[in-house]
Amino acid sequence: SAVISQKPSRDICQRGTSLTIQCQVDSQVTMMFWYRQQPGQSLTLIATANQGSEATYESGFVIDKFPISRPNLTFSTLTVSNMSPEDSSIYLCSVHSGQLYNEQFFGPGTRLTVL
Amino acid sequence: AQTVTQSQPEMSVQEAETVTLSCTYDTSESNYYLFWYKQPPSRQMILVIRQEAYKQQNATENRFSVNFQKAAKSFSLKISDSQLGDTAMYFCAFMAGGGADGLTFGKGTHLIIQP
Repeated sequence: SAVISQKPSRDICQRGTSLTIQCQVDSQVTMMFWYRQQPGQSLTLIATANQGSEATYESGFVIDKFPISRPNLTFSTLTVSNMSPEDSSIYLCSVHSGQLYNEQFFGPGTRLTVL
Repeated sequence: AQTVTQSQPEMSVQEAETVTLSCTYDTSESNYYLFWYKQPPSRQMILVIRQEAYKQQNATENRFSVNFQKAAKSFSLKISDSQLGDTAMYFCAFMAGGGADGLTFGKGTHLIIQP
């Protein structure tokens, strides 16, 4: 399994500002995924980040709001831009693992509160 | 697009009892994987068990087992000899085969193990 770390673990931000969340993996992976978990809700996929190409966003998520970088095979960032209280959520990154890419492992998450 | 449905928002059982969490899904994919994840209050997503759709045999991991009914598109999780540490949110998730997609999650079941 992959070991995934995220920074920061939590933050409290003012509306209108932006926050960049970092995700670091202990091994090289082709695809990284970003999820959002709103309070008391399930996880929703935001985007898939492949190294060397533009991220692919799910319906309802746009690059201007959630720009993603993937500079190498072990690192990715997600920025939450122009934040509003509705962006208060846990943001998690995950990676495939296993020979058949049939497992996904998650980072510990970043708890974001927007005031 | 696929959907995952968990119809039990919350369940409560006594320690040492057996409990079954329900999950149904809908997909037109022929190659896919199903997962159960556990999310304790620490919010770390922990992979409990995985089932490959092409396998008829139900997956088991120690006290955790699944009842996979492919024709009925049903994927329930059975926890035997439940322990206090099993208290958590449990999410059923779907992933199409090929490794390029993220996970689609159900809304989750909050499982409480009473002493």
